[in-house]
Amino acid sequence: DQQVKQNSPSLSVQEGRISILNCDYTNSMFDYFLWYKKYPAEGPTFLISISSIKDKNEDGRFTVFLNKSAKHLSLHIVPSQPGDSAVYFCAASPNNNAGNMLTFGGGTRLMVKP
Amino acid sequence: DGGITQSPKYLFRKEGQNVTLSCEQNLNHDAMYWYRQDPGQGLRLIYYSQIVNDFQKGDIAEGYSVSREKKESFPLTVTSAQKNPTAFYLCASSRKAGVRQPQHFGDGTRLSIL
Repeated sequence: DQQVKQNSPSLSVQEGRISILNCDYTNSMFDYFLWYKKYPAEGPTFLISISSIKDKNEDGRFTVFLNKSAKHLSLHIVPSQPGDSAVYFCAASPNNNAGNMLTFGGGTRLMVKP
Repeated sequence: DGGITQSPKYLFRKEGQNVTLSCEQNLNHDAMYWYRQDPGQGLRLIYYSQIVNDFQKGDIAEGYSVSREKKESFPLTVTSAQKNPTAFYLCASSRKAGVRQPQHFGDGTRLSIL
């Protein structure tokens, strides 16, 4: 039972264009959402997060949108750069005071072509 | 320079052997976590610890053991009972429960069976 799903295993985008990565979740207890970026043979690096009290959070070229009614979040990267090529994981944390427990999606591999 | 150090980066195990993966953090984080990543998949939680001398099983704890004798250290032992140990293992840490914030990851250990 996958509580966090990233339905697109890969995405290819031209440099300078927008990259949109999607994530769906099923557990209504999730109230804190994160995106991580991962290069091969390295650990994930935190990119951006959003709390369920907001529907948008922006940090430079990265914006995360949250649609609670649809249980959907997305990460927008604009403009996309070749260095953005990596695997992106979305993760979610419940509001059950069990700490910062995270459930991860399966990841989307982004390829930005020069 | 604060961070999480995992060692070794590559580890080989013979059938029937136990091996221990090291994870040390100097971020003064209370909580530490171990994840496993298989090719093309997301991260799955093996064990976590919110405080010294206490730890809890995650989703796939069978065949693994941990200890948390010091705040800075959270070693993971892959026992011979783990039937499919070949994977990429990631250690993470975060501040104490109740503070919504991201987990920070080490660079991982790749374990292979000889």
